[in-house]
Amino acid sequence: NAGVTQTPKFRVLKTGQSMTLLCAQDMNHEYMYWYRQDPGMGLRLIHYSVGEGTTAKGEVPDGYNVSRLKKQNFLLGLESAAPSQTSVYFCASTQGPRFPNEKLFFGSGTQLSVL
Amino acid sequence: GEDVEQSLFLSVREGDSSVINCTYTDSSSTYLYWYKQEPGAGLQLLTYIFSNMDMKQDQRLTVLLNKKDKHLSLRIADTQTGDSAIYFCAEGRSGSARQLTFGSGTQLTVLP
Repeated sequence: NAGVTQTPKFRVLKTGQSMTLLCAQDMNHEYMYWYRQDPGMGLRLIHYSVGEGTTAKGEVPDGYNVSRLKKQNFLLGLESAAPSQTSVYFCASTQGPRFPNEKLFFGSGTQLSVL
Repeated sequence: GEDVEQSLFLSVREGDSSVINCTYTDSSSTYLYWYKQEPGAGLQLLTYIFSNMDMKQDQRLTVLLNKKDKHLSLRIADTQTGDSAIYFCAEGRSGSARQLTFGSGTQLTVLP
């Protein structure tokens, strides 16, 4: 059981380049999330999805787009990368907001550097 | 708005107790969580407490909640080197699809 898998694990981009981060979960979870983690700032929610075909904005959505075409996958896109997007990105999933049993399962993260 | 605050660093000696503190502002929080992040890994849920509870014990972990002061603490008894990690406090509300608001994390270093 792989859980939540993120690809790639590391990436270096030049300013203005685009890329897509892939998150895949094999737990049949409905809810999926993208967070970014910056030093001293904890995790901030970028976008989230409550089911296939749905997406919603989180706390810091600017400069990112997402898609949830298949239930198991949640893609995070950067159309024109900026140095301010240098961060560690985490994907998470859960069956639903039925606290506390439906805990968040996290991927191992993607380290992105934008030069 | 919602805000969760933690101190950034804590160092303890192996075998001592560690106490990690957290304050939050959202009075409608339903659940409060402690997550652990080891180097190069994602976050893992350690424990949680309902907002109508004062204390929860789970093996070496004790969670104390002072709802009046909106203060949460995590006590780790007999701290081991394997407990060295970043510990995140988080708060959430039942039924909220936006899930959790995280603190900035406390880096716990266990010295031999």
